[in-house]
Amino acid sequence: EPEVTQTPSHQVTQMGQEVILRCVPISNHLYFYWYRQILGQKVEFLVSFYNNEISEKSEIFDDQFSVERPDGSNFTLKIRSTKLEDSAMYFCASTEERNTGELFFGEGSRLTVL
Amino acid sequence: DQQVKQNSPSLSVQEGRISILNCDYTNSMFDYFLWYKKYPAEGPTFLISISSIKDKNEDGRFTVFLNKSAKHLSLHIVPSQPGDSAVYFCGSSGSARQLTFGSGTQLTVLP
Repeated sequence: EPEVTQTPSHQVTQMGQEVILRCVPISNHLYFYWYRQILGQKVEFLVSFYNNEISEKSEIFDDQFSVERPDGSNFTLKIRSTKLEDSAMYFCASTEERNTGELFFGEGSRLTVL
Repeated sequence: DQQVKQNSPSLSVQEGRISILNCDYTNSMFDYFLWYKKYPAEGPTFLISISSIKDKNEDGRFTVFLNKSAKHLSLHIVPSQPGDSAVYFCGSSGSARQLTFGSGTQLTVLP
């Protein structure tokens, strides 16, 4: 069964460093997302991406964050200068073009900022 | 601004009994309501959804009920099994196709 894969599964970084989280969405999907979950809190929407551009983003997704799909397969989330409060589980998701909300999530990348 | 609320952080149920998880929402413009299940160290997994034009959707042991006048959504699991123990998130989806999640309810099914 096709699945969304994410790398790395866990990354530890120093505050101020750049981090890139990678995702390979399901191949025939057209909409891509990043969500995050801070420990003990709810899963929060960060950004959605369609047709090679951001379609929606939340207040969390400030200038320190960026996304791109450089090669038509990988979908990346970059955090330019990490802060302690960026420590969270980051989930990538994808879906076909339909408005049902059924997203397919990856297993997540845990980011720890020291 | 919590558009989707799950007021019960946890629920314990005996195996074989019914589990009822509840969710309230504020935005009437949502098109779909969904339930996701999440195990520790895994991503959320889609469980069941309901269109805003319906009031019930059933899939095996799982039934979702939508009460639009009360802006209330519930998930019934019957019979509950120990493998159902997980965090359950309700979510809503609108034209932007993004999901807005509630804070989750930890379901524990006791053998």
